Amino acid sequence: DAGVIQSPRHEVTEMGQEVTLRCKPISGHDYLFWYRQTMMRGLELLIYFNNNVPIDDSGMPEDRFSAKMPNASFSTLKIQPSEPRDSAVYFCASSSGTAYNEQFFGPGTRLTVL
Amino acid sequence: AQSVTQPDIHITVSEGASLELRCNYSYGATPYLFWYVQSPGQGLQLLLKYFSGDTLVQGIKGFEAEFKRSQSSFNLRKPSVHWSDAAEYFCAVGDDYKLSFGAGTTVTVRA
Repeated sequence: DAGVIQSPRHEVTEMGQEVTLRCKPISGHDYLFWYRQTMMRGLELLIYFNNNVPIDDSGMPEDRFSAKMPNASFSTLKIQPSEPRDSAVYFCASSSGTAYNEQFFGPGTRLTVL
Repeated sequence: AQSVTQPDIHITVSEGASLELRCNYSYGATPYLFWYVQSPGQGLQLLLKYFSGDTLVQGIKGFEAEFKRSQSSFNLRKPSVHWSDAAEYFCAVGDDYKLSFGAGTTVTVRA
């Protein structure tokens, strides 16, 4: 299996622009998670899906952030408009089955907003 | 709410020496506990996990961790460190499907 795939790996954009991050989970996994990693706040869970349905989005920082999962093999995290404080590494992870099963992480997208 | 504290931000250890990383958690019920490792520029990889049973858990890459309920701790250990163990290590506690991570401990290995 190719593991969790994220694209792009690096994104540099200007403040006010729309940014879309993409994730392909491991085939057969029914849970998908979006995390953000910053020096100041560490690793934060933004939102997670089960069977393509958002279950908990309490970690989404504000309305500028939105996430979708149109099918079992694809999810997007969108920031519109982007701000410099959104600069971070965004990780997607997927898992299956029970709550104590391993979450498999993608390589991350490093976002820089100028 | 659950939380995790990793008291050590940075640890330097000589190759071949033993390593122990500390983790303290706060959680009302029996926790699910995890240790992940992140190499530079990479995603996180699971080293080991605990959810019940034997309090000494064996993981990959020669790591082990011990769950101590009385101390609310889940410390990670390795008897002999290799240069490739240089990375950032995260302890996490699970609440249902949500993981709360500690701030991480960066391990530097000197020759």
